[in-house]
Amino acid sequence: SQTIHQWPATLVQPVGSPLSLECTVEGTSNPNLYWYRQAAGRGLQLLFYSVGIGQISSEVPQNLSASRPQDRQFILSSKKLLLSDSGFYLCAFKMGSNSPLHFGNGTRLTVT
Amino acid sequence: AQTVTQSQPEMSVQEAETVTLSCTYDTSENNYYLFWYKQPPSRQMILVIRQEAYKQQNATENRFSVNFQKAAKSFSLKISDSQLGDTAMYFCAILSNSGYALNFGKGTSLLVTP
Repeated sequence: SQTIHQWPATLVQPVGSPLSLECTVEGTSNPNLYWYRQAAGRGLQLLFYSVGIGQISSEVPQNLSASRPQDRQFILSSKKLLLSDSGFYLCAFKMGSNSPLHFGNGTRLTVT
Repeated sequence: AQTVTQSQPEMSVQEAETVTLSCTYDTSENNYYLFWYKQPPSRQMILVIRQEAYKQQNATENRFSVNFQKAAKSFSLKISDSQLGDTAMYFCAILSNSGYALNFGKGTSLLVTP
């Protein structure tokens, strides 16, 4: 069966520090991969998506970047975190053009 | 661009009663897919139900059903026999046939009371 793993579950980082959140998918190949952010417990904002290795589309220009070094690995990064980067980050994947998204358990990021 | 509007930020219902959550959307496409997701306090996003726009029959999954009105661009979720475990945020989302990602509404917080 297809599963998605996202870590860490919780992260507290100081302003100006780097960030790396990782997401991996098992049980499938060539998934579409996504990073969403949920601020203040409401609404999901699409940050990045990828339809293949090395292919990244950015929806919102900001302090974050994403990479897909392997088929089933998706990484969200920042060189220097801002207070406004705090939030709940969700990784997701889907197979095929009309299939639903399947989400990881999320990472709660607090920038202090 | 596709947009999703959930006009009810918060709702409450008593256990065993029925509740309907509203969702309207805007899209210029004729083929698309609609979804309802549930986010309980654990914050895990769980797919509740999906609807293909080309299907006239409303989707049903156990106690969850939708009222899909394509002309009105409305996609409401009905929860029958509400249970305490239904307490969660509920998100409506749309995916176009030509798109890659889901666009979500801001969510409705549902509280089921004993």
